[in-house]
Amino acid sequence: EPEVTQTPSHQVTQMGQEVILRCVPISNHLYFYWYRQILGQKVEFLVSFYNNEISEKSEIFDDQFSVERPDGSNFTLKIRSTKLEDSAMYFCASKGPSGNSNTGELFFGEGSRLTVL
Amino acid sequence: AQSVAQPEDQVNVAEGNPLTVKCTYSVSGNPYLFWYVQYPNRGLQFLLKYITGDNLVKGSYGFEAEFNKSQTSFHLKKPSALVSDSALYFCAVSRASGGSYIPTFGRGTSLIVHP
Repeated sequence: EPEVTQTPSHQVTQMGQEVILRCVPISNHLYFYWYRQILGQKVEFLVSFYNNEISEKSEIFDDQFSVERPDGSNFTLKIRSTKLEDSAMYFCASKGPSGNSNTGELFFGEGSRLTVL
Repeated sequence: AQSVAQPEDQVNVAEGNPLTVKCTYSVSGNPYLFWYVQYPNRGLQFLLKYITGDNLVKGSYGFEAEFNKSQTSFHLKKPSALVSDSALYFCAVSRASGGSYIPTFGRGTSLIVHP
């Protein structure tokens, strides 16, 4: 069964460092997302990506965050200068080309745990 | 803004007994509702969804959920729990039309099924 893969599974970084989290969505999917979950809190939407551009972003997704799909397979989330409060589990998700894009379910990766010291 | 509430951080049930995991939502207009499950060290997996039609929807692993518009609820149920059902369960809502279609998730409910 096709799946979304994420790397690394766990990254520890120093405050102020840049981090890139990588995702390989399911190959025929068209919609891509990043969510995050701070320990014990709800899963929060960060950004959605469609047709090679950001389609929607939350207020969490400020100027220190960026996404790109550089080669048609990878979908990356970059955090330019990490803060302590960026420590969280980051989930990538993708959604297929269903007839109505709003009703399709998301397929999630296993997550990348980011620890900022 | 749309939101989801999962009022219980943890639900404990004995194997073989029925289980319910509660979810209420808030959204403008008609909702699309989803349940996802997360097993340890895994990503969220889709269980079932309500889009339109019959209020009782059936999903994977014997789970079902009932959409109740008047109570704005979408509780997850299973007639007979298994130990292997122990996991973290997330409810999500999105709008059926207008505005953001991005699913908004709750904080999750930990289901523990005791042998």
